[in-house]
Amino acid sequence: DAKTTQPPSMDCAEGRAANLPCNHSTISGNEYVYWYRQIHSQGPQYIIHGLKNNETNEMASLIITEDRKSSTLILPHATLRDTAVYYCIVRVGDSNYQLIWGAGTKLIIKP
Amino acid sequence: EPEVTQTPSHQVTQMGQEVILRCVPISNHLYFYWYRQILGQKVEFLVSFYNNEISEKSEIFDDQFSVERPDGSNFTLKIRSTKLEDSAMYFCASSGGAWRNEQFFGPGTRLTVL
Repeated sequence: DAKTTQPPSMDCAEGRAANLPCNHSTISGNEYVYWYRQIHSQGPQYIIHGLKNNETNEMASLIITEDRKSSTLILPHATLRDTAVYYCIVRVGDSNYQLIWGAGTKLIIKP
Repeated sequence: EPEVTQTPSHQVTQMGQEVILRCVPISNHLYFYWYRQILGQKVEFLVSFYNNEISEKSEIFDDQFSVERPDGSNFTLKIRSTKLEDSAMYFCASSGGAWRNEQFFGPGTRLTVL
């Protein structure tokens, strides 16, 4: 089972920042937090990942709490094309390559 | 920008038939994966492949499934005798290096078993 908990859905106005929360209270010290998204039925798309420091790339920012039990993905200026299901995934173990997917958060960007 | 490609985009088959789904991973990647997603459900891991052998597989990946890298570019998933419940989107993914590296996904093959 997935080791993360996310709200099933969220709305955000176009042009505003979208903040997607994720709880991963049982995360281990060597496990990373990954974020992917899936637009409609397309293949999942990698967004960002981090261990304990905050991370930023051209798509988003990832804020991880100091105790690492939760994180927030921030899309700074959401557009209609950001409407998708967003998945927060904790990478399980160091000899195990699979991604275990939860139900994700359905983010709807409204004009 | 390099991308993972998959063929066909849609495959329709009769129950009991064999199907082969094809993937071309990103050229310098070393790790390859198959996932599936039944309509309206979560993405599920099937198998990972490295150095010409399976490195991990899920309970879904039973004897009816096999994977192969027949040449330097293709990565295939074979289902020997399809069942109705095999109907799903099948996604291939590849990654460059160690387990921390992100996985890049293809567009998927929609398999419909009649």
